[in-house]
Amino acid sequence: DTAVSQTPKYLVTQMGNDKSIKCEQNLGHDTMYWYKQDSKKFLKIMFSYNNKELIINETVPNRFSPKSPDKAHLNLHINSLELGDSAVYFCASSPFSGNEQYFGPGTRLTVT
Amino acid sequence: AQTVTQSQPEMSVQEAETVTLSCTYDTSESDYYLFWYKQPPSRQMILVIRQEAYKQQNATENRFSVNFQKAAKSFSLKISDSQLGDAAMYFCAYRSALLGAGNQFYFGTGTSLTVIP
Repeated sequence: DTAVSQTPKYLVTQMGNDKSIKCEQNLGHDTMYWYKQDSKKFLKIMFSYNNKELIINETVPNRFSPKSPDKAHLNLHINSLELGDSAVYFCASSPFSGNEQYFGPGTRLTVT
Repeated sequence: AQTVTQSQPEMSVQEAETVTLSCTYDTSESDYYLFWYKQPPSRQMILVIRQEAYKQQNATENRFSVNFQKAAKSFSLKISDSQLGDAAMYFCAYRSALLGAGNQFYFGTGTSLTVIP
């Protein structure tokens, strides 16, 4: 069973479009995260939710909006896509009082 | 905020040899967790090893071991008997053990490891 899954794994779209990436975890974890990994492989935290509540909201454009319908899901919606949004986006989860994070397979977003 | 520094952007090692990847971190906390993650070309992030700061004993997982120096805030990863499959980007990460810390992880910038046959 896949612990943290993301869909789609690849996404190619044009500038100005709106797209969503979905994430689901079946580990029963309380906390979920979105990271952006750029072409230099830097991992940057974007958002973190704990039990559907936003707890980390780093400086990202307002065009990015996370949504957590329940604690097993954390989706990322991106409006008006720009070339600079091209990156790999990782979803992750962890127990609130536990230790490591479990990562999804990543979504490679290419904006043309 | 805590910072994690990996000063070696790239490293290489001969197959079957040993290599050590460096990581330092900056924190005022006394209780925390440290991790090494591996990201092979498949891009999946895989946990390699974990260390709890309150434990003096260095963590070991098969060919992977760490040298945890709490006073020096250093957390290096040693890979013994390197294999071709060890070629990957390696990330060092820090997480506070404080419940009010927001559950945030701090990642270093990564070290790209090449294994030479």
